[in-house]
Amino acid sequence: GNSVTQMEGPVTLSEEAFLTINCTYTATGYPSLFWYVQYPGEGLQLLLKATKADDKGSNKGFEATYRKETTSFHLEKGSVQVSDSAVYFCALSAQGAQKLVFGQGTRLTINP
Amino acid sequence: NAGVTQTPKFRILKIGQSMTLQCAQDMNHNYMYWYRQDPGMGLKLIYYSVGAGITDKGEVPNGYNVSRSTTEDFPLRLELAAPSQTSVYFCASRDRGSTDTQYFGPGTRLTVL
Repeated sequence: GNSVTQMEGPVTLSEEAFLTINCTYTATGYPSLFWYVQYPGEGLQLLLKATKADDKGSNKGFEATYRKETTSFHLEKGSVQVSDSAVYFCALSAQGAQKLVFGQGTRLTINP
Repeated sequence: NAGVTQTPKFRILKIGQSMTLQCAQDMNHNYMYWYRQDPGMGLKLIYYSVGAGITDKGEVPNGYNVSRSTTEDFPLRLELAAPSQTSVYFCASRDRGSTDTQYFGPGTRLTVL
């Protein structure tokens, strides 16, 4: 079946550090890939997405590239801020699927 | 455009009580979902609907019921509340395509004592 695996958290970084959160997936065909972010006390919101191989999604300084050869969609940001502290979820939607498949989430804390 | 709204924001129930969590969306989305998120954990799908009158079970449907009589509304019913149902509940909606974004409500925090 389809699945998403994210790097274990929690992740703690200092402000202005480089961020990578790893995400790999298992799926047949050509799924769409998503990163959602959940700020404290809120619901999830879309951070970025990519719908085909080699696409790069980007938003708020975050980027992720859909790599079919390595079945990965790693999230990166060059210089994190305290306001980036949140839980990040990687997810996939198989072609024609009715549901998203979520990873387990990675809690990120940025210290000033 | 309010997006996805949920009521109430917080609720405390006693064991054995029942309640309905309300969810509404104003984006004319066909797909709607109910998730629960336990402390420090990821999301688990409870029920979902692909259109008015059509619902289906997710990973953890036991103890819950849903209905979808209109496109806009997707209430979640808890019968005979149990402490294991203490969680944060999120409703979400999506348009037809599998590439489309899911939009989430702000959540309902439920405690069963």
